[in-house]
Amino acid sequence: DIQMTQSPSSVSASVGDRVSITCRASQDIRRGLAWYQQKPGKAPNLLIYAAIGLQSGVPSRFSGSGSGTDFALTISSLQPEDSATYFCQQTNTFPLTFGQGTRLEIK
Amino acid sequence: QAQLVESGGGVVRPGRSLRLSCAASGFSFDSFGFYWVRQAPGKGLELVAGISFDGSEKYHGDPVKGRFSISRDNSKNTISLQMNSLRPEDAAVYYCAKALLRWELLSPLDYWGQGTLLTVSS
Repeated sequence: DIQMTQSPSSVSASVGDRVSITCRASQDIRRGLAWYQQKPGKAPNLLIYAAIGLQSGVPSRFSGSGSGTDFALTISSLQPEDSATYFCQQTNTFPLTFGQGTRLEIK
Repeated sequence: QAQLVESGGGVVRPGRSLRLSCAASGFSFDSFGFYWVRQAPGKGLELVAGISFDGSEKYHGDPVKGRFSISRDNSKNTISLQMNSLRPEDAAVYYCAKALLRWELLSPLDYWGQGTLLTVSS
């Protein structure tokens, strides 16, 4: 199985900050990478697909980058409602594996 | 607007069986694959099982292989997960999720249900 490793495991930042979360795959997954946001007690919400595609309805301050094994999710100007846990998922090969999550806290 | 509603969770003793269901609405059900994804309390996301748009392809994760079985009924717009020989480590919130891409099982998941809680305890 492809292992997905996210870093950092947690981050704290202020409103208006630019924040990046990285995800590394254990082998080449081309652009088969998705990012999800999950708030406590809620289901995950798809933010980014195919590494760079912004899902419909997701604010434009969210963006994705990368290909191959190294990827990033960037929030250009952090908002209070962005406090959540973020997961990456590779969608290139079965089984579709997730990263362990990054908890984002607003200072 | 697509909607997924899970049901069937509850408290069950180790070794017993339970069946989860997911009712879908608001989109062309028979064009999309589906997954069951679980999340143990305070833990990450784990793909449990997946099924293609026509039911011809199925995936079951190693921890549940031989115990769980995913199925779908395209006439009723429902997805099911039959869970047998349940173990304490199967305890989690189980989410039903829809593939973003038509016809594809290798796909991100764009709609999720609210989740249903399974507790396995004697």
